Order: sequence, then structure tokens, then C-alpha cells
Amino acid sequence: KQEVTQIPAALSVPEGENLVLNCSFTDSAIYNLQWFRQDPGKGLTSLLLIQSSQREQTSGRLNASLDKSSGRSTLYIAASHPGDSSTYLCAVSPPGANSKLTFGKGITLSVRP
Amino acid sequence: DTGVSQNPRHKITKRGQNVTFRCDPISEHNRLYWYRQTLGQGPEFLTYFQNEAQLEKSRLLSDRFSAERPKGSFSTLEIQRTEQGDSAMYLCASSSGLAGISYEQYFGPGTRLTVT
Repeated sequence: KQEVTQIPAALSVPEGENLVLNCSFTDSAIYNLQWFRQDPGKGLTSLLLIQSSQREQTSGRLNASLDKSSGRSTLYIAASHPGDSSTYLCAVSPPGANSKLTFGKGITLSVRP
Repeated sequence: DTGVSQNPRHKITKRGQNVTFRCDPISEHNRLYWYRQTLGQGPEFLTYFQNEAQLEKSRLLSDRFSAERPKGSFSTLEIQRTEQGDSAMYLCASSSGLAGISYEQYFGPGTRLTVT
């Protein structure tokens, strides 16, 4: 059974800092990995998707990397600002037709002004 | 296209009552997913449709839960005889995809269910 872990559960950084959020998964047989952010009481906003054949994806100040063999992904946020404060979740999908996602519990990020 | 929509956004019900939620996916997406999220946890998969066919159901989906997607468009999730343990955020997502290929999932705002 696939398990996704995100540690630490919470992180607080000063504004302007570059930071890395970690995600690990137990079964390397994944099809893709997706990073989301979720504001309190809201739905999920997709940030980046990395297919299993890819090593990284970039969108603006965000860069996500994937190392399938070690079961790890990182989300790099450059020049953080208070608007980045949110919960960040990673999720993986298995090979095959059903691309249901298995999620970690998320990392709650607070960027202090 | 305004994205995935869900109604209602909030539902408060008494234990034992039935509730129904609706999800309207992005119009060109043929895949639709339901997830459930409790406080402090990541979403957990409940069920999945490709067009109108329900292809997989999680063991989390007890016989009190039923989902439909008539004509492969919107979907409904019904919970019968609600219990306090059903209190959660119910999230719907959609994606495009061909057989064997998975694409990015887009989530709706969720329906927050509170069972008193």
C-alpha cells in the first residue's frame, strides 16, 4: 500500500527566504506526482505535476523535483512572501488507468513579514 | 470555463438524515473523482468515474454511500443515514485522460458536511 509522508508538519520562515518542502513515498511505482496548496477551509489548487519520466517542473518561483528511485520529491519556493502561507500537499498516482491520488498530510507553511 | 464547482458549499444535518452533494467537473474532462478530507489529514480517495462508468470504489465507501454520474457529466454523492463520523470535507476533482494516461487533477472548493 502506498504511503506518502511530509515532514515537518509545520514550518515558519521569514519573508524573502528560499525554502524546500519534502515529500517521500514508499512505492516507487508511480505514474505522476502532483503538488497542491490548500488555504484553510478551501479546496486544493494544483501547483505542479511531474510525470514519472520527468525529473523536475518549474512554474514561476516554484520548482518541483522527483527522484523515483529514492521515493522523494521536493518543492522549492524562491523568495517566499506572506502570500505563500498555506498548507502544501503532495500526492502520487499509480500506474494504470485509475489515476487516484494518495496524499500526504501536508506541510503548513507560515511566512512571517 | 470556471473550473470544478460543488454544491452546496456547507451542509449541516442531523444524524440519521440523508444528504446529497453535487459536483460539476470541467466540461471537457471525462474523469471525475471524489475524495474525503478530515481535519489535519490529506484527502482520501473514495471513488472514480470515467465518463458515466464508476470504475473503482474505496473500502472507505460503505454501503451507506452511493455515487452516480449520469450521462458522464455532473456527479452526485449521497450519504444515507448519516453518522457523526461522516463529518468531513468532501472534495471533487476532474481530469482529462486517455486509457492508461493520467493527467493533472483539478479540485473543486469542496462541500463541508457537519453531522450533529
